[in-house]
Amino acid sequence: GAVVSQHPSRVICKSGTSVKIECRSLDFQATTMFWYRQFPKQSLMLMATSNEGSKATYEQGVEKDKFLINHASLTLSTLTVTSAHPEDSSFYICSAPPGLAWGDTQYFGPGTRLTVL
Amino acid sequence: AQTVTQSQPEMSVQEAETVTLSCTYDTSESNYYLFWYKQPPSRQMILVIRQEAYKQQNATENRFSVNFQKAAKSFSLKISDSQLGDTAMYFCAFMKRGGSNYKLTFGKGTLLTVNP
Repeated sequence: GAVVSQHPSRVICKSGTSVKIECRSLDFQATTMFWYRQFPKQSLMLMATSNEGSKATYEQGVEKDKFLINHASLTLSTLTVTSAHPEDSSFYICSAPPGLAWGDTQYFGPGTRLTVL
Repeated sequence: AQTVTQSQPEMSVQEAETVTLSCTYDTSESNYYLFWYKQPPSRQMILVIRQEAYKQQNATENRFSVNFQKAAKSFSLKISDSQLGDTAMYFCAFMKRGGSNYKLTFGKGTLLTVNP
């Protein structure tokens, strides 16, 4: 199947700093990528849809200025958590749909665990 | 808007036995996909099985099969010959077919534990 990578897998930072998480599609081009947030033992919550070459579309209740998304190329989307605080600690997952030729579904990155001290 | 409901927060099964996870959904769309994803303790989301709504035949992938009842808007997952490696959170998901949407709507998940 299609491969999606994320980096870093784990990050610990101090309150007030910014953290960047990368999501890459390794063997296909992705004009669209999705960013999710997941709390322990809960479902995935869609934060935003990342569109290559245009602005991201954020879900209701997600702070655009807090979670900056940049989809700079057909294989890379980044999520920057700005001025992180302990309540931003969570598991962040990206996904990408390779398209019809790959079965018209989404493939997920391995996730990034963010801990804000 | 679509909704996906998984009414079983937790389930357990003995190794080698069969277990069925329930999922119901609500939509006004006629053309869509349904999925079951597995999330083991590593937290990597893994596609288990996919069903296209226009296909009447139930999808099957080795030990995993679905019972898709379109009129009842029901999409259950049957795991046969359960293995310890099947221990995971299982999410049912809906996706509208067509266009460039690809947005998934997830259920809350069922935590499945396979006991030795």
